[in-house]
Amino acid sequence: QQQVKQSPQSLIVQKGGIPIINCAYENTAFDYFPWYQQFPGKGPALLIAIRPDVSEKKEGRFTISFNKSAKQFSLHIMDSQPGDSATYFCAAGNAGGTSYGKLTFGQGTILTVHP
Amino acid sequence: NAGVTQTPKFQVLKTGQSMTLQCAQDMNHEYMSWYRQDPGMGLRLIHYSVGAGITDQGEVPNGYNVSRSTTEDFPLRLLSAAPSQTSVYFCASSKGRIRNTIYFGEGSWLTVV
Repeated sequence: QQQVKQSPQSLIVQKGGIPIINCAYENTAFDYFPWYQQFPGKGPALLIAIRPDVSEKKEGRFTISFNKSAKQFSLHIMDSQPGDSATYFCAAGNAGGTSYGKLTFGQGTILTVHP
Repeated sequence: NAGVTQTPKFQVLKTGQSMTLQCAQDMNHEYMSWYRQDPGMGLRLIHYSVGAGITDQGEVPNGYNVSRSTTEDFPLRLLSAAPSQTSVYFCASSKGRIRNTIYFGEGSWLTVV
């Protein structure tokens, strides 16, 4: 059962464009929503994360928007660059109980930014 | 500062063979986990550990075994390899609470023929 659904599977934009990746979750117990960036041949690396008590978080050119009532969150990349070409994963987790570090991941989005 | 180290990087196994994927971290992290990554499936949790001597199953544990005898090491054993276990495997660690950053190793590419 896929508890976090991510779309689109792939995305191509021109340099300077604003790619948007969307995720939807089902488990209302989730209270931590990170995004990971993965380059070919490497492991995923934390990009930015949000908690459900805020609707938006920005770090540099990366912004997470969060809609708790719709159980959706999205990643926006402002002024995208060819170096942003990577696979992006959304994830969700529950900080309570014994859920140490347990994350449920979306299916991933392959982003290509053309020069 | 090595972070999370996985070995081997690449491995080809025959169906029915067993092997161990090694994972070590030098950050004194309590929490360690193994994920597998398959096209269109994202990363799925296989097993995890919240400390030495404590392990538990994740989403897809069948066919895998783990142990955590030290804080640093968390090996993943494939008991009898099957073609369905062809995947990229990632070990990860974090300090403990979920909102701490989870660090991933660089992956182990496993092919079962």
